[in-house]
Amino acid sequence: DGGITQSPKYLFRKEGQNVTLSCEQNLNHDAMYWYRQDPGQGLRLIYYSQIVNDFQKGDIAEGYSVSREKKESFPLTVTSAQKNPTAFYLCASSTGRTGGGDQPQHFGDGTRLSIL
Amino acid sequence: AQKVTQAQTEISVVEKEDVTLDCVYETRDTTYYLFWYKQPPSGELVFLIRRNSFDEQNEISGRYSWNFQKSTSSFNFTITASQVVDSAVYFCALSGWNTGNQFYFGTGTSLTVIP
Repeated sequence: DGGITQSPKYLFRKEGQNVTLSCEQNLNHDAMYWYRQDPGQGLRLIYYSQIVNDFQKGDIAEGYSVSREKKESFPLTVTSAQKNPTAFYLCASSTGRTGGGDQPQHFGDGTRLSIL
Repeated sequence: AQKVTQAQTEISVVEKEDVTLDCVYETRDTTYYLFWYKQPPSGELVFLIRRNSFDEQNEISGRYSWNFQKSTSSFNFTITASQVVDSAVYFCALSGWNTGNQFYFGTGTSLTVIP
């Protein structure tokens, strides 16, 4: 089945540690996104990528990094610079490489990150 | 600026009641798109509907209906004869022709349907 796979489902981070969240899609979508969800704050965009080897910062990129070496994969690294990383992280993808915004985003099941 | 407001943080209804979830948006784009998503307790956001700015026809899909009114910048979602399985957080989202593929989400409305 086509879809978006996020792993792991739960992740724990120690102080000063970088952790990487995986996101893989087999929908042949050009665009991929990372969101952070906190209670009562909805979804906030961290990074997005509209094409391989290119990505843009979203509203809350500080303390995070991404790469887009393959069309199918868009991993997110939560660095030690992110002082409050505890949240639910959602990855999404959509068609439409060059703007338009008319295509729905499809989401993975999310990764819940907590601080030890 | 693009903005979506969902003023209702939490709603509780008794099963079989109708419920309307409000969504108000702000945009300077003349071409834009509105979406509704459902987030059940499992966490994944499920796409429900897309509406473009040129199509103000209301839409009905089973027990779900959507009322898009450009005059009031609203895109409200009604569930008729609610069921326990409708319990979830519902998000309204906006994207514009000039904002690329970037979506702007509201803060969500948590709906609880009591049996």
